[in-house]
Amino acid sequence: GQQVMQIPQYQHVQEGEDFTTYCNSSTTLSNIQWYKQRPGGHPVFLIQLVKSGEVKKQKRLTFQFGEAKKNSSLHITATQTTDVGTYFCAGPPGNQFYFGTGTSLTVIP
Amino acid sequence: KAGVTQTPRYLIKTRGQQVTLSCSPISGHRSVSWYQQTPGQGLQFLFEYFSETQRNKGNFPGRFSGRQFSNSRSEMNVSTLELGDSALYLCASSRQTGNTGELFFGEGSRLTVL
Repeated sequence: GQQVMQIPQYQHVQEGEDFTTYCNSSTTLSNIQWYKQRPGGHPVFLIQLVKSGEVKKQKRLTFQFGEAKKNSSLHITATQTTDVGTYFCAGPPGNQFYFGTGTSLTVIP
Repeated sequence: KAGVTQTPRYLIKTRGQQVTLSCSPISGHRSVSWYQQTPGQGLQFLFEYFSETQRNKGNFPGRFSGRQFSNSRSEMNVSTLELGDSALYLCASSRQTGNTGELFFGEGSRLTVL
């Protein structure tokens, strides 16, 4: 069945270092969304990518959608302690969203 | 603008009991979807309702059911609770159904089954 995998599962970085999480789907996605969940909180929408090869930036965050629309990445430049949380990708190969396994980011001050 | 409201926030049940969780979506949102979040399985899709109709269903046993009312509020029910049902149950609302809209999540209902 459909699987959306993310790597790494956990990432510890020193504040100021960069961070990247990768999302891979076993099937082509019509679009992909990214969410952030702070510890003890609920997922919050960050962005949606629709086009093959699309790149979007939000301040220090850069999102990419692969050419084959099967993978995506989120890159954070110069991490800050406010970036702590779990980052999920979510893709709909059909009529529902499948969430990735998530990458838990810890930022060490 | 009020966000997605879920009640109750926390509850403890024993095996064999049943539970009903409630979700009030953002005003104007007609789609409500439910997710189960556990440390081992991540966020798993339960079902989605749009205009009182179940549009999609995930791979959960029939003990998990839901419904949506005419005001878009939704409830989910879990019968004959098992220990493995302990999880955070998240509700998300969206303007449109399907797979194109941004999901707005509630704070969740944390269920513990003893």
